[in-house]
Amino acid sequence: QSALTQPASVSGSPGQSITISCTGTNSDVGGYNYVSWYQQHPGKAPKLLIYDVSNRPSGVSSRFSGSKSGNTASLIISGLQAEDEADYHCCSYTSSATLVFGGGTKLTVL
Amino acid sequence: QVQLEESGGGVVQPGGSLRLSCAASGFNLTNYGIHWVRQAPGRGLEWVTFIRYDGTNRYYAESVKGRFTISRDTSKNTVYLQMNSLRAEDTAVYYCGKGPRITIFGVRIDNWGQGTLVTVSS
Repeated sequence: QSALTQPASVSGSPGQSITISCTGTNSDVGGYNYVSWYQQHPGKAPKLLIYDVSNRPSGVSSRFSGSKSGNTASLIISGLQAEDEADYHCCSYTSSATLVFGGGTKLTVL
Repeated sequence: QVQLEESGGGVVQPGGSLRLSCAASGFNLTNYGIHWVRQAPGRGLEWVTFIRYDGTNRYYAESVKGRFTISRDTSKNTVYLQMNSLRAEDTAVYYCGKGPRITIFGVRIDNWGQGTLVTVSS
């Protein structure tokens, strides 16, 4: 199972919106509505941000949202804040009854 | 509150074995499946294995199939990862994570432990 494809890095200024893409195949992202996104600050454990493509767990800011079109899922962060600077990982359930992650995207807040 | 604490990491020679533990608190393992996910230094996350909430099914990544075994002890509310025939490429921080409640397969990871470092080196 190949890793999902994410951009290595994205950047934005405070207050702006950014989008991180996550591209897979019909056997993972495109085949199921089980895409999740995780935020990871340096030296810390990942934290669940979005599940089932577009749902937010309790306590996660509404500035974070998710969507999917075909084989590509997207994480949108609006009103960028300095504390959003972190690595972001997408993940999908697969037809092989496994999970597959993307390579991770480093977000820099300028 | 939900807590997961990994232990058992360390330095091991290629071909060696190591057993990791994931002690769960704040919830009952009999209702939740548990994942192991690893992260090599400077790299992304890699899913490793999952044990279902009832312990009847276990799933593995191809990269570890036949070498790693996930198990659990519900009396201790602890999940284990037995790692055999270790290779340099298994070097990583290993995280355990809790899946959603009573599902056939945990399609997401709701809570994560802080991780334990495994280094495979001679």
